[in-house]
Amino acid sequence: DGGITQSPKYLFRKEGQNVTLSCEQNLNHDAMYWYRQDPGQGLRLIYYSQIVNDFQKGDIAEGYSVSREKKESFPLTVTSAQKNPTAFYLCASIRTGMNTEAFFGQGTRLTVV
Amino acid sequence: RKEVEQDPGPFNVPEGATVAFNCTYSNSASQSFFWYRQDCRKEPKLLMSVYSSGNEDGRFTAQLNRASQYISLLIRDSKLSDSATYLCVVKGTAGANNLFFGTGTRLTVIP
Repeated sequence: DGGITQSPKYLFRKEGQNVTLSCEQNLNHDAMYWYRQDPGQGLRLIYYSQIVNDFQKGDIAEGYSVSREKKESFPLTVTSAQKNPTAFYLCASIRTGMNTEAFFGQGTRLTVV
Repeated sequence: RKEVEQDPGPFNVPEGATVAFNCTYSNSASQSFFWYRQDCRKEPKLLMSVYSSGNEDGRFTAQLNRASQYISLLIRDSKLSDSATYLCVVKGTAGANNLFFGTGTRLTVIP
C-alpha cells in the first residue's frame, strides 16, 4: 500500500543531543514537508522540499536541519540548538494537480528528558 | 495577519445537533481549500475538499465564499464519532505547493 511512514513513533532525547526523525514515502510525490504541532496549536512549517536535492526553510526552521537526497526520503534532524524540541512532528507529502491532497505520516512524538 | 484563522472552540454539542465551523484566509489568490480531521494524538486526514460551488458528503457540507474569503463546514446530525479537531487548510497560489493550516476547531459531541 502507498503511504508515508514516519519512525520512530516515540522518541526521547537527552538535552544536548541531536536526533533524526525518519520520513519515507512511496507515493511518488515531489513535495515533502515537516510540521511541528504543540498542544492546542496548529501545524507550523519547519522545512519543505519541492524536489530532490532542494529544500527551503519554513516558519520555524531554527534548530532543525533536513536533507533530500532521494525522492522517497526527507529526514529531519532536531539539533541541540533547538531549545524547546518537545512536540509532535508530522511529515507530509502533497499530491498536486487537479486533486491536491496532503498525506501525513503517523507522526513522531519527541520528548526531551 | 495569519494566513488562515479559525475559531479554536471548543464546541460541545449534543448528539444529533447541527454544528458549523468557519475559517477565514488572508490571501485572495489562494487556489484550493480543504477540511482535515485530526483525532487526538493522530495525524490529520482529509475530510473533504472545498469547491466554489459548495459540496456535500453525507452529513458534511463545505462551502467557499471567495468574496469574503471564508470557508465553512457544516455537520448535521452529529455523532459521537465526529468528536475531533477540524483543521481548515488553504493551498497557496498557483505554482506553490505550500499548505497553510488553521489552528483547528475542537468538537466534542456529547451523548
